Amino acid sequence: KAGVTQTPRYLIKTRGQQVTLSCSPISGHRSVSWYQQTPGQGLQFLFEYFSETQRNKGNFPGRFSGRQFSNSRSEMNVSTLELGDSALYLCASSTGVGYTLYEQYFGPGTRLTVT
Amino acid sequence: AQKVTQAQTEISVVEKEDVTLDCVYETRDTTYYLFWYKQPPSGELVFLIRRNSFDEQNEISGRYSWNFQKSTSSFNFTITASQVVDSAVYFCALHTSGTYKYIFGTGTRLKVLA
Repeated sequence: KAGVTQTPRYLIKTRGQQVTLSCSPISGHRSVSWYQQTPGQGLQFLFEYFSETQRNKGNFPGRFSGRQFSNSRSEMNVSTLELGDSALYLCASSTGVGYTLYEQYFGPGTRLTVT
Repeated sequence: AQKVTQAQTEISVVEKEDVTLDCVYETRDTTYYLFWYKQPPSGELVFLIRRNSFDEQNEISGRYSWNFQKSTSSFNFTITASQVVDSAVYFCALHTSGTYKYIFGTGTRLKVLA
């Protein structure tokens, strides 16, 4: 089974621009979560989508948004980029069904650099 | 409040030594899950173990073992006979039924020297 894929792997943007990152979950997984990883803040939860609906959201400003498509692929968007948005953005998928919480499988991440 | 503390920022051991990575969590929820993930230099987090709050049994998987103690809110991870390939950042994470969010610790960087 193919793992979680994220595109692009590396991205360089300028302050004020916007960016869209893409994530394709493992086949059959309906839950997709996004995380921001920085040396200073560690791994921080951005949001989670399940069946095209945002199920949960972390403490990030409204500049960070996401969506999920009917095939479970997900995109996250960051508008009006700031230098502090430079980070590794990780996507994770899981079956996300029912009460039992299954483990998340992570993609390789997208390294975003804002200059 | 939910919180995961990994007090050890970095640990260095010599190959074949045993090493324990500490994880202390805080939650008021009675139903929660604890996880350990490994992040090798390549960057991709790899799932190691999941434990729910009702299962305090320790677990052993090869050279890896986990000790879950609700009394001390700890979920420690031990690698026996460490190898250079174990060098990575290890994250402990908490997921509670109340917030339905994953909360990660700050990670422990393990360096295993040949």
